[in-house]
Amino acid sequence: SQKIEQNSEALNIQEGKTATLTCNYTNYSPAYLQWYRQDPGRGPVFLLLIRENEKEKRKERLKVTFDTTLKQSLFHITASQPADSATYLCAPSGGSYIPTFGRGTSLIVHP
Amino acid sequence: IAGITQAPTSQILAAGRRMTLRCTQDMRHNAMYWYRQDLGLGLRLIHYSNTAGTTGKGEVPDGYSVSRANTDDFPLTLASAVPSQTSVYFCASSDGTSSYEQYFGPGTRLTVT
Repeated sequence: SQKIEQNSEALNIQEGKTATLTCNYTNYSPAYLQWYRQDPGRGPVFLLLIRENEKEKRKERLKVTFDTTLKQSLFHITASQPADSATYLCAPSGGSYIPTFGRGTSLIVHP
Repeated sequence: IAGITQAPTSQILAAGRRMTLRCTQDMRHNAMYWYRQDLGLGLRLIHYSNTAGTTGKGEVPDGYSVSRANTDDFPLTLASAVPSQTSVYFCASSDGTSSYEQYFGPGTRLTVT
């Protein structure tokens, strides 16, 4: 069955540093990979989508990579700020696959 | 209305009672989804609808039913609630399916006692 793995432990970093979150998937080959942000008590909010033929995608301080050989996506936030503290979810999708969400990684940026 | 609305915001329900969670979107999106989110388990898909008039089962459909009579509304019904259905329920919509971003509602916090 399809499996998505994100670090279950919270990632703690200092303000100004780059945060890197990992999403690994097994047993399928998604054509797309989406990343969402979720704040406590709220629904997830879409951030970025990367296609399988794109190695990297950027949006402001965000960068996503997609390695279909490793079956992995990395999500980077550069110059992190306390306001970036949230849970980040990855969601592989594509073809017949309805987007399936990982359990998310909590990011805590300390001032 | 802007985006997706859900009602109620929260509810405490006695076991065995029937409950319908409402979801309405005004974006004319074709696809709609219902998820439940539990601590440590993440978002799990309950049911989905790719277009009005069609529905499909997700990862955890047992005990839930949905209907999609029109584009805007996608209600989720618990026919006879059980305590294991205590969760936060999110409705989402997207313009298409796999390559399209999902827009989520604010969620309904349901407690079954």
